[in-house]
Amino acid sequence: EPEVTQTPSHQVTQMGQEVILRCVPISNHLYFYWYRQILGQKVEFLVSFYNNEISEKSEIFDDQFSVERPDGSNFTLKIRSTKLEDSAMYFCASTSRGLGYNEQFFGPGTRLTVL
Amino acid sequence: DQQVKQNSPSLSVQEGRISILNCDYTNSMFDYFLWYKKYPAEGPTFLISISSIKDKNEDGRFTVFLNKSAKHLSLHIVPSQPGDSAVYFCAAKGGTSYGKLTFGQGTILTVHP
Repeated sequence: EPEVTQTPSHQVTQMGQEVILRCVPISNHLYFYWYRQILGQKVEFLVSFYNNEISEKSEIFDDQFSVERPDGSNFTLKIRSTKLEDSAMYFCASTSRGLGYNEQFFGPGTRLTVL
Repeated sequence: DQQVKQNSPSLSVQEGRISILNCDYTNSMFDYFLWYKKYPAEGPTFLISISSIKDKNEDGRFTVFLNKSAKHLSLHIVPSQPGDSAVYFCAAKGGTSYGKLTFGQGTILTVHP
């Protein structure tokens, strides 16, 4: 069964460093998302992406964040200068185009630890 | 932001019995609701969904009920199995078909053998 994959599974970085989290969405999906979950809190929406541009972004997704689909398979989230409060699980999700509503399929997540 | 709320942080059930997980929402624009299951160190896994034009959707042991007037939905698992032990998230979507999901806080379900 096709699945969303994410790398790395765990990333440790120093405050102020740049990190890139990588995702390979399901191959025929066209809509891509990043969510995050700070320990003990809700899963929160960060950004959605379609047709090579951002469709929607949350207040969390400030100028420190960017997303890119550099080729036909990868979808990346970049944090330019990490802060302690960026420590969280980051989930990538994707969904297909189709009639009606479609569920989003999530990857296993990347645990980001900012020291 | 409390647009989707799961008021029970945890639920403990005996194997074979019914598990009922509840979710309330406040945003009238939500028109599609989903339940996800999550194991530790894994991403959320889609379980079942319901559109606002329905009041019930069933898939095997899982049934979701929607009460629009009360802005309430519930997930019933019958019979519960130990493998169902996980965190269950309610999520809601409104507007476009491909819009963001708004999640509840999750309920930890433990099914005892």
